[in-house]
Amino acid sequence: EADIYQTPRYLVIGTGKKITLECSQTMGHDKMYWYQQDPGMELHLIHYSYGVNSTEKGDLSSESTVSRIRTEHFPLTLESARPSHTSQYLCASGAGLTYQETQYFGPGTRLLVL
Amino acid sequence: GESVGLHLPTLSVQEGDNSIINCAYSNSASDYFIWYKQESGKGPQFIIDIRSNMDKRQGQRVTVLLNKTVKHLSLQIAATQPGDSAVYFCAENAGGTSYGKLTFGQGTILTVHP
Repeated sequence: EADIYQTPRYLVIGTGKKITLECSQTMGHDKMYWYQQDPGMELHLIHYSYGVNSTEKGDLSSESTVSRIRTEHFPLTLESARPSHTSQYLCASGAGLTYQETQYFGPGTRLLVL
Repeated sequence: GESVGLHLPTLSVQEGDNSIINCAYSNSASDYFIWYKQESGKGPQFIIDIRSNMDKRQGQRVTVLLNKTVKHLSLQIAATQPGDSAVYFCAENAGGTSYGKLTFGQGTILTVHP
């Protein structure tokens, strides 16, 4: 069982609000990832980090931003939420020793923007 | 954003039967593959992985087969149980500039009837 946590689990918020989705892991993993997943659909990578002060955009364009100030923490921020941001956001981490490694996922945050 | 309805392939089996879930991948440079299980309301959970220098790998009740010639991956679940009901995703990694990044397939809904 992987020790990766996400809060909140569910969030309902109005258009225009700023939100931050939290992700933390206690495994000391260097690599962390954010995925977006719509109901019944595949996961799409939106951000990733290879270590502290490293952040990169993923394959799916996203208006969100991320930061990596501490190894264990990888928050995702939306400055102004819109209904099109409604989705599930999944955080993952990996040890980063080689690229052939599994990623461990948190439980996800379900976001609904009204 | 939000999508309406489910678009995933489905597989229904009786408890005790063997299940085979298939996945086609497109990147011939991919050389590491993972199968994940995602239950409702949870993040993906690692099941089994395989590297491209292998064509078969077995775990507990699960077997992954890799056919690089036709770029096909399959997950076999022996003696399927109701607790195996979930969405199953394959994921691939190509290394190189895709270092550490996984690309997820469409997913298959497995329903096990008691």
